[in-house]
Amino acid sequence: DGGITQSPKYLFRKEGQNVTLSCEQNLNHDAMYWYRQDPGQGLRLIYYSQIVNDFQKGDIAEGYSVSREKKESFPLTVTSAQKNPTAFYLCASRKGQSYEQYFGPGTRLTVT
Amino acid sequence: ELKVEQNPLFLSMQEGKNYTIYCDYSTTSDRLYWYRQDPGKSLESLFVLLSNGAVKQEGRLMASLDTKARLSTLHITAAVHDLSATYFCAVDIIGGSGGSNYKLTFGKGTLLTVNP
Repeated sequence: DGGITQSPKYLFRKEGQNVTLSCEQNLNHDAMYWYRQDPGQGLRLIYYSQIVNDFQKGDIAEGYSVSREKKESFPLTVTSAQKNPTAFYLCASRKGQSYEQYFGPGTRLTVT
Repeated sequence: ELKVEQNPLFLSMQEGKNYTIYCDYSTTSDRLYWYRQDPGKSLESLFVLLSNGAVKQEGRLMASLDTKARLSTLHITAAVHDLSATYFCAVDIIGGSGGSNYKLTFGKGTLLTVNP
């Protein structure tokens, strides 16, 4: 079965700790994305990558970092510099132009 | 900068009624997508609209795209409780070369509640 997996589903961390969220896809998609969603809000783009070893900042990249060493994987690190990291994080991938994005199941991060 | 506006943001309707959700966008694009999100879940693709005049239907939902008016609509016919969810539209940015930079811009979402 092709799809996007995100792990873990729920993540709890103490303030001041960095945390890495996993995103893997076996759809052979070139582009991958990270979004943040706060309760009752829309999606905000954190980072995206169109090809391996290249990525661009989205609208709210501060306090986050990513890597794209393999086509299948696009991990997101939430650093201690991110002031309000508690949110629902969604990873997505896309085959190319004129195709929709497919979303993973999401990771709910709680930082206390 | 591309802006995508949905309205209404909140919609409470009775079962059996019809209603339309609107998605306006601010710059040239002929690629628009509709998604559904259930509470606490991820987004699921509903419709892909790739040209002016495109119309797609699935069950009680019908989506259309008017690129000249920069407007897409999501029409709900004879609503049922199972349609209760948040609906997002998303628009492709078309780059100067005519291609997309692969980035979608999402509207804020419309929270639809269908009451018995």
